[in-house]
Amino acid sequence: QKEVEQNSGPLSVPEGAIASLNCTYSDRGSQSFFWYRQYSGKSPELIMFIYSNGDKEDGRFTAQLNKASQYVSLLIRDSQPSDSATYLCAVTAPFGNEKLTFGTGTRLTIIP
Amino acid sequence: DAGITQSPRHKVTETGTPVTLRCHQTENHRYMYWYRQDPGHGLRLIHYSYGVKDTDKGEVSDGYSVSRSKTEDFLLTLESATSSQTSVYFCAISPRTGNSGNTIYFGEGSWLTVV
Repeated sequence: QKEVEQNSGPLSVPEGAIASLNCTYSDRGSQSFFWYRQYSGKSPELIMFIYSNGDKEDGRFTAQLNKASQYVSLLIRDSQPSDSATYLCAVTAPFGNEKLTFGTGTRLTIIP
Repeated sequence: DAGITQSPRHKVTETGTPVTLRCHQTENHRYMYWYRQDPGHGLRLIHYSYGVKDTDKGEVSDGYSVSRSKTEDFLLTLESATSSQTSVYFCAISPRTGNSGNTIYFGEGSWLTVV
């Protein structure tokens, strides 16, 4: 079982709709959770991070964390063509672990 | 931008030759990382550093070595390049302090082709 799993996609969403990206992780003691966006041929860039159960909103983006079910999701409201990219979920292990483990990413395409 | 410069950005080398990739940061962050990214495998950690001369292995460290003689520079060396090391290499840094905690920020990447 992979430590961090994501559906590779592609996920196609109409412009203006809500895109929902999901990620599950295997280490129940994981503390920190991150979403990165990566355009083709570019480096990953941080969208947001979440530490506590529940929702965290930043503009059009909402991260949702459920530690009991070991999943974290990213919602993108009012999807734009510029949101078309690969979205990477990353997780750290219990406190003191310096390393992030990444999922393989979900490719999202916003259809105009 | 997070103040990370990788060099070279693109390199083609022959099997068996040594290759060194350089990562330079201007943020004075303690933690630095080298990842490789391959289709189907995502980002995988090669080595990381938690201070000058302090380094540790990641999940795919075989065939790679690193050095950090100054806070701002983290070098990744392929002692004898193989075709399986053809990849995109990303350097990353982390402040490991404050609200951003474990967040890491990536450099622009180095595309390495071993022929």
